[in-house]
Amino acid sequence: SQQGEEDPQALSIQEGENATMNCSYKTSINNLQWYRQNSGRGLVHLILIRSNEREKHSGRLRVTLDTSKKSSSLLITASRAADTASYFCATVTSYDKVIFGPGTSLSVIP
Amino acid sequence: DVKVTQSSRYLVKRTGEKVFLECVQDMDHENMFWYRQDPGLGLRLIYFSYDVKMKEKGDIPEGYSVSREKKERFSLILESASTNQTSMYLCASTSSGRAVQGPNEQFFGPGTRLTVL
Repeated sequence: SQQGEEDPQALSIQEGENATMNCSYKTSINNLQWYRQNSGRGLVHLILIRSNEREKHSGRLRVTLDTSKKSSSLLITASRAADTASYFCATVTSYDKVIFGPGTSLSVIP
Repeated sequence: DVKVTQSSRYLVKRTGEKVFLECVQDMDHENMFWYRQDPGLGLRLIYFSYDVKMKEKGDIPEGYSVSREKKERFSLILESASTNQTSMYLCASTSSGRAVQGPNEQFFGPGTRLTVL
């Protein structure tokens, strides 16, 4: 079964708007990571947040983690057409096992 | 420049054939992973390895086996390919991070698109 589940499955916004994606998971984690995948390409790591952290920033990305609710969110501010991609959360549990969710497909309309 | 390479970008095989997918990383990473990616299902973990000759089953190991004889190489084997194994296969590696709350980022290969006829 999937450890991580992203929400929504698909998101369409106008350029310049903010995009928020959520991830829920089931078991305790060591850290949680977000990845981006452009169509037909491999995954690229965006940001990692550890279980003892609550919020992290990287450029236009902001990630939050609520371990009590077993959830995380990824916020992309001032979106650009180039942000159009699929976004995946990945949870790292014991023994370095990494599990990905099904992803959120983001479309940014110019 | 760190790199994860996979032996083929595209592969076409027939039902019942034995298929080998190879993955090589040059970062001296302890951990290596095999995923398959299907539309609407995201990435699903098939097997992973945290050391040479060590392996752990992921969520969907049935119909697959793996081999890790050397640290830099992780092979995925389909003993008898079936049409439901048509998919994109992604290999990834990461350093071991047990001392620092789990590993850091995963580095992915470009993927192998396998079609089983």
